[in-house]
Amino acid sequence: KQEVTQIPAALSVPEGENLVLNCSFTDSAIYNLQWFRQDPGKGLTSLLLIQSSQREQTSGRLNASLDKSSGRSTLYIAASQPGDSATYLCAVNRVRWSGYSTLTFGKGTMLLVSP
Amino acid sequence: ETGVTQSPTHLIKTRGQQVTLRCSSQSGHNTVSWYQQALGQGPQFIFQYYREEENGRGNFPPRFSGLQFPNYSSELNVNALELDDSALYLCASSFNVGGLPQETQYFGPGTRLLVL
Repeated sequence: KQEVTQIPAALSVPEGENLVLNCSFTDSAIYNLQWFRQDPGKGLTSLLLIQSSQREQTSGRLNASLDKSSGRSTLYIAASQPGDSATYLCAVNRVRWSGYSTLTFGKGTMLLVSP
Repeated sequence: ETGVTQSPTHLIKTRGQQVTLRCSSQSGHNTVSWYQQALGQGPQFIFQYYREEENGRGNFPPRFSGLQFPNYSSELNVNALELDDSALYLCASSFNVGGLPQETQYFGPGTRLLVL
């Protein structure tokens, strides 16, 4: 059974800091890995998708890396801003034996960036 | 914002009642997945519909059922509601080939269900 763990559970930083969110997963047979952002009471916004054959993806101030063999991914946020405050979720996409794929999520890291 | 919409946005029911939640997928998408997110937890996979058929199911009892229509919109039905069914229900749409996503899944804003 795939398990996804995110560390830390919560993080509070002053504006401008660079920060790293960690995600680990137990089964390395993944199709891809995604990082999502969730604002309170809202749906999920996809930030970055890394295919299993890739090592990293970048979008603006965000960079995500994937080390499939060790079951780890990190999300790096550069020059954090108050608008980055949200919960960040890591999800691994696995292909099931019957030919469909599902996302398994971690519990998320709740980020607060203070001005 | 994604093109995935869900209705209603909020719902209050009592134990034992039945509820139907709706999801309109993004244009061009043929697959809808439903997730349940309890407070403080990550979303849990309920089931997935691909081209109008259920092609995968998570660890949820049969009282959770669904449908996908020819326009690829979808419904989630929950019978005999229990207190623990209180959660945010999210649907996600994607374009799949042979059941596998060709791109990221796009999530709707969710329906907040409260069971009293």
